[in-house]
Amino acid sequence: ETGVTQSPTHLIKTRGQQVTLRCSSQSGHNTVSWYQQALGQGPQFIFQYYREEENGRGNFPPRFSGLQFPNYSSELNVNALELDDSALYLCASSATRGGTEAFFGQGTRLTVV
Amino acid sequence: DQQVKQNSPSLSVQEGRISILNCDYTNSMFDYFLWYKKYPAEGPTFLISISSIKDKNEDGRFTVFLNKSAKHLSLHIVPSQPGDSAVYFCAASEGGGGADGLTFGKGTHLIIQP
Repeated sequence: ETGVTQSPTHLIKTRGQQVTLRCSSQSGHNTVSWYQQALGQGPQFIFQYYREEENGRGNFPPRFSGLQFPNYSSELNVNALELDDSALYLCASSATRGGTEAFFGQGTRLTVV
Repeated sequence: DQQVKQNSPSLSVQEGRISILNCDYTNSMFDYFLWYKKYPAEGPTFLISISSIKDKNEDGRFTVFLNKSAKHLSLHIVPSQPGDSAVYFCAASEGGGGADGLTFGKGTHLIIQP
């Protein structure tokens, strides 16, 4: 059984650019959630996908968008990057739609300059 | 408005003693609570959870207590070991954690002293 893997691990982008982060869910998990963790803060819920459809969304603007694929892997896209988007982005997968006992990947550290 | 609060940014405990990490919440709709542990450069790892219908859940050295009337939960680790040094996050969910995901506190950095 493989765990949750994210790529890339680190990324530097310029303000105004677009970025795509990727996540492979744990085997057998059909639900994926994305979180943003700023320095010194806890993870903040961005959105959740269940069987390729968005299942819920946190307080993030529309320039944060996502996709879930038939194999349950997922992408997080961020357009028009801002300096405040610099953070650790965490992907979590779970076996249930509720997504409570979620299993996290190691995260992607995004720096916007 | 922070709905899950961990008021101690750090806690230092001697090896072998009990570590008690605290968490308060404001949203009375939360019905499921979780603790995660995070080492540097790794993602959070699930530790233990508790449903609002219970007031205690135990798993080995880890016990979580829930006081619904006080909107307070705590994680007890006994005995504390050096490998327990990490950042601990309290998280809560509403209605099975579906559409709103998990709401996390800011974390408590636990340091186990030898």
